[in-house]
Amino acid sequence: NAGVTQTPKFRVLKTGQSMTLLCAQDMNHEYMYWYRQDPGMGLRLIHYSVGEGTTAKGEVPDGYNVSRLKKQNFLLGLESAAPSQTSVYFCASSSNRLAGGETQYFGPGTRLLVL
Amino acid sequence: AQSVSQHNHHVILSEAASLELGCNYSYGGTVNLFWYVQYPGQHLQLLLKYFSGDPLVKGIKGFEAEFIKSKFSFNLRKPSVQWSDTAEYFCAVNPYSGGYQKVTFGTGTKLQVIP
Repeated sequence: NAGVTQTPKFRVLKTGQSMTLLCAQDMNHEYMYWYRQDPGMGLRLIHYSVGEGTTAKGEVPDGYNVSRLKKQNFLLGLESAAPSQTSVYFCASSSNRLAGGETQYFGPGTRLLVL
Repeated sequence: AQSVSQHNHHVILSEAASLELGCNYSYGGTVNLFWYVQYPGQHLQLLLKYFSGDPLVKGIKGFEAEFIKSKFSFNLRKPSVQWSDTAEYFCAVNPYSGGYQKVTFGTGTKLQVIP
């Protein structure tokens, strides 16, 4: 199993450009998440999904959109990139919440630089 | 809403020294608690977690953590650190109250072990 994969690994954008980050998991997990990691701020949840076709806002959703059209994929979109969105983006997935205490499995991250 | 505090932002230890990283959370109900580790250049992975039962939890690579409910703490310990333990450590809390409750991460503690 590949686990959680992210595409691309690194990207440079100019202010105002758009892009989509792709996350894929092969563990048949119901839940998927997008986080951003910034120095001194830890991981902050951007959006999450509790199942195919559903999405919800996390802690810092402004400037981002997401879609979960297929259970195994979770896309994060930036419609008009801003320098404040320079960060490392991590995708994660976990199994059904009802069991409690689920481990999140993280992807390798995407480094995004917005100039 | 829950929150997580990691008081040590950067810790430097010599090999064989003992380690204790503090983690305190704020939430009045039942919680699941996690420690994740991020080695240089790698993605986050689970170190250990507390779900229920014995408050002393043992994880991989000789790490352990003790859940002290009265102190709202989940400190991470290791009796003798190695150079390979150099990494960033994140504490996380997940309230368990039925339905989906998101995981909140602390800001992380960077551990540097000097040979």
